[in-house]
Amino acid sequence: GAGVSQTPSNKVTEKGKYVELRCDPISGHTALYWYRQSLGQGPEFLIYFQGTGAADDSGLPNDRFFAVRPEGSVSTLKIQRTERGDSAVYLCASSHTSGGALGSYNEQFFGPGTRLTVL
Amino acid sequence: RKEVEQDPGPFNVPEGATVAFNCTYSNSASQSFFWYRQDCRKEPKLLMSVYSSGNEDGRFTAQLNRASQYISLLIRDSKLSDSATYLCVVNPGNQFHFGTGTSLTVIP
Repeated sequence: GAGVSQTPSNKVTEKGKYVELRCDPISGHTALYWYRQSLGQGPEFLIYFQGTGAADDSGLPNDRFFAVRPEGSVSTLKIQRTERGDSAVYLCASSHTSGGALGSYNEQFFGPGTRLTVL
Repeated sequence: RKEVEQDPGPFNVPEGATVAFNCTYSNSASQSFFWYRQDCRKEPKLLMSVYSSGNEDGRFTAQLNRASQYISLLIRDSKLSDSATYLCVVNPGNQFHFGTGTSLTVIP
């Protein structure tokens, strides 16, 4: 079946511009996560959706970052007034359920990521 | 203090060697634990969940010590295809906290 997809795969933008990154989770997965990964680092949690609502957005670095999931499926991460420090790979993951459950039911399946470069 | 700490390596080992990675976590309320594998310029993929009693999957063995807040991964009989970065992941609730990853290169 189809895995998690993300578009675009690469995005180059100029400092100060607005960007949108899209994530299509696996069908039926209610939980959706956004992460940011810089070179040599592990993925850094940004935000978690359970259904349509952002259940935990404590990882968003500042108010330039915002994410939505209006119909409980596709999600868009929005970054305003981009800065060079925003350059990273933005990863999206989905799972059947949120954390806390034991076993493979909360295994996260990652998309290939969007490589964002801010010049 | 970071939520999850890992030795970044790199670990360079010959084929057939046994190698062990360790990871410590700070949140004692963490409930689920995982090892993910990430190949260069690829997304992370689940290698195995880590259960309290320890678990094995072929050449891979994972162990959890809740008292010491410590997780380990043992790889026996290393293959060239095991070369990757291994990420320790801890799940205290809604969030999943990743370590920086440990880089492994298996040398012919």
